[in-house]
Amino acid sequence: AQSVTQLGSHVSVSEGALVLLRCNYSSSVPPYLFWYVQYPNQGLQLLLKYTSAATLVKGINGFEAEFKKSETSFHLTKPSAHMSDAAEYFCAVREETSGSRLTFGEGTQLTVNP
Amino acid sequence: KAGVTQTPRYLIKTRGQQVTLSCSPISGHRSVSWYQQTPGQGLQFLFEYFSETQRNKGNFPGRFSGRQFSNSRSEMNVSTLELGDSALYLCASSLGQGASPLHFGNGTRLTVT
Repeated sequence: AQSVTQLGSHVSVSEGALVLLRCNYSSSVPPYLFWYVQYPNQGLQLLLKYTSAATLVKGINGFEAEFKKSETSFHLTKPSAHMSDAAEYFCAVREETSGSRLTFGEGTQLTVNP
Repeated sequence: KAGVTQTPRYLIKTRGQQVTLSCSPISGHRSVSWYQQTPGQGLQFLFEYFSETQRNKGNFPGRFSGRQFSNSRSEMNVSTLELGDSALYLCASSLGQGASPLHFGNGTRLTVT
């Protein structure tokens, strides 16, 4: 069974600092991996996805993530945090045999301090 | 293209009642999935419909059911509501194949009193 672990339910950074949100997955087969962001009172918005085409994936709003198979990780980074990045971030995994079903991590609440 | 539309946005129901939530997917998307989001359990998969057939089901009791119509619109029904059913219910649509991502609606906030 696939699972996702996000290390750190809350992460706080200063504006302009590096953002690093951690995600580790367990999957018996090479998965598809996704990062989503959720702003208050809204649904989830896709930031980026990994589909095995490239290990470094660039997404929207300056975010990127690197797939490391040896570490079963897919950490999300952004070089310089902006106040508007404050939100909850979810890592998700999907195996090719599970249709469109996503398994989500617990989420990481990102706070950006001025 | 219009995004995923969920109606209503907010709903207040009494324990024991039933409720129906509606979801209109992005045009051309044949897969519709439903998720329950709560502070304690996070995002939990309910079920997925693809071309009017349930393709996947999560670990929820039979009180939770859904269906998909020929135009890909989907409804979710919860019968005999319990206080613990209070949650944000999210609908997502996708092409339903390969690495196609899920596109989420803004959800229906259900409060059971």
